Amino acid sequence: SQELEQSPQSLIVQEGKNLTINCTSSKTLYGLYWYKQKYGEGLIFLMMLQKGGEEKSHEKITAKLDEKKQQSSLHITASQPSHAGIYLCGADHNQGGKLIFGQGTELSVKP
Amino acid sequence: DAGITQSPRHKVTETGTPVTLRCHQTENHRYMYWYRQDPGHGLRLIHYSYGVKDTDKGEVSDGYSVSRSKTEDFLLTLESATSSQTSVYFCAISESVVRSYEQYFGPGTRLTVT
Repeated sequence: SQELEQSPQSLIVQEGKNLTINCTSSKTLYGLYWYKQKYGEGLIFLMMLQKGGEEKSHEKITAKLDEKKQQSSLHITASQPSHAGIYLCGADHNQGGKLIFGQGTELSVKP
Repeated sequence: DAGITQSPRHKVTETGTPVTLRCHQTENHRYMYWYRQDPGHGLRLIHYSYGVKDTDKGEVSDGYSVSRSKTEDFLLTLESATSSQTSVYFCAISESVVRSYEQYFGPGTRLTVT
């Protein structure tokens, strides 16, 4: 959906390197959700951000919400092959229970 | 892991035939969703349900209908399948209106319409 843009669309990194994925909304954010999808499987909920400046961590994955920029960034420190997959952000645009998702960022981690 | 199953997991069908996909949950969650996932489009909401017999359309509902006669089951029907409906379909559930955005997803159904 153009309402939610992720960048980059794909990323290949060497194991041990850090990386950042961005998610930018064209509409006001009431909440931002990060999911991870392993190839051929469903999505796994990672974390939810609701307040400007909020930062959350899940193992070596940290996400932050910049409410003014209507943007969230997801940062992975010291990437591992287990981090490979597709990362999707989902946004709450105050539409009563419905999320809009970005197109996803495909991450590959080379050993 | 949330108890969500989808059936079938894979299906190949011909254009014009009806197809029904089933989502079954054991979590007693009120909200259920059907999405389709296509390259370059991410996830797009087809229909969702906020209770038994209560459903509403998502952004790509044309050509699809849903039914929810029990809390645990949410059915997605393609009345007359078209090649444009070839996709991976995901069901999701969420607990309440407060936490409705923390959604748990099923394993997906890969549908091919030839």
